[in-house]
Amino acid sequence: AQSVSQHNHHVILSEAASLELGCNYSYGGTVNLFWYVQYPGQHLQLLLKYFSGDPLVKGIKGFEAEFIKSKFSFNLRKPSVQWSDTAEYFCAVMGYNKLIFGAGTRLAVHP
Amino acid sequence: EADIYQTPRYLVIGTGKKITLECSQTMGHDKMYWYQQDPGMELHLIHYSYGVNSTEKGDLSSESTVSRIRTEHFPLTLESARPSHTSQYLCASKAGGNYQPQHFGDGTRLSIL
Repeated sequence: AQSVSQHNHHVILSEAASLELGCNYSYGGTVNLFWYVQYPGQHLQLLLKYFSGDPLVKGIKGFEAEFIKSKFSFNLRKPSVQWSDTAEYFCAVMGYNKLIFGAGTRLAVHP
Repeated sequence: EADIYQTPRYLVIGTGKKITLECSQTMGHDKMYWYQQDPGMELHLIHYSYGVNSTEKGDLSSESTVSRIRTEHFPLTLESARPSHTSQYLCASKAGGNYQPQHFGDGTRLSIL
């Protein structure tokens, strides 16, 4: 069955700390992977996506993610978080004509 | 920035009422989607459409129905709302190709009393 697993439901960090959010997927076809972010009171926005080529993809606001095929993973990283990164982050894989989301990770960054 | 609009943003209404949640996009996207999201939970696909006159049920069983008479419009209807329908409903659209991202609206928070 197609699924996406996000390891941490809640993460609390101080500003300038490094961030890594785990994402593992289960899907047998060609993989297209996405990270979305939802800031408080706002709609879901695309952070970055992977569909082919370099497995290290860079997104907006200093985020990056690495696709590791052997581990079925697509972890999101940022070297130094800011208070404004407080949001909920969703990993997703494109299944057969539909996007399959993980449960999300709520990130709180303290000044 | 994506142009996809959902109305209303918030709705509190009594049991038994008929409700229509509106979703419109101005990007000419053929594919449109409705998701249901409860707090702290993943998004669940409840309906999708590949184009005009095309509608399909998603993974999560829903008592709602949808229609797609125009490309830009994908309304969701609950004929008789119940407290179990209380949730957030997100609409999304995308261009063709699996690598194209979905663009989301702001969502409708629905509370059924």
